[in-house]
Amino acid sequence: DSGVTQTPKHLITATGQRVTLRCSPRSGDLSVYWYQQSLDQGLQFLIQYYNGEERAKGNILERFSAQQFPDLHSELNLSSLELGDSALYFCASNGSHYEQYFGPGTRLTVT
Amino acid sequence: AQSVAQPEDQVNVAEGNPLTVKCTYSVSGNPYLFWYVQYPNRGLQFLLKYITGDNLVKGSYGFEAEFNKSQTSFHLKKPSALVSDSALYFCAVRDNSNDYKLSFGAGTTVTVRA
Repeated sequence: DSGVTQTPKHLITATGQRVTLRCSPRSGDLSVYWYQQSLDQGLQFLIQYYNGEERAKGNILERFSAQQFPDLHSELNLSSLELGDSALYFCASNGSHYEQYFGPGTRLTVT
Repeated sequence: AQSVAQPEDQVNVAEGNPLTVKCTYSVSGNPYLFWYVQYPNRGLQFLLKYITGDNLVKGSYGFEAEFNKSQTSFHLKKPSALVSDSALYFCAVRDNSNDYKLSFGAGTTVTVRA
């Protein structure tokens, strides 16, 4: 158990809908990273937050957004969903150590 | 921009034999390198890292990796593979600019046969 939690574990929704994925980092970790894992794109970095502030953006679509709250949990919002958004979404956190610790992921299926 | 390459999609070995999973990297500056393992329907588990120091780093579950600066490689090794080592392995490099994001290789599926 990495100490990073994600909910829900599975999500099935229809095209055009909006969903919210939730992540709680390890106790004491200020950084949260979101990654998308798909068969065609592999593991791609989406966005990073540090202590409530956006730190970096990667290959994140404009339909996607995220935020980190004062209690340091983070939410990834995906809107106007398309079939191609079906993927595993991971969050990770780290503190003073170099490695990132990953949550179990949320498997999103868009039908 | 930094990147890693894993030249083998699949590696197949017999239980008890040595296991090697290859990774090469490209960075501007000092590389911070990582190996992760992913079991089916699970998240990524951290195995080991190279930041500085000894070129041979030891990690979890008997795995080790050798950093080779001249060959820009960071191969993962295990002297004696187990069936339970069958999984998807990812090499990653950290961006040492402001954001510290990880860039992952495409992954290598390891199958250890009994």
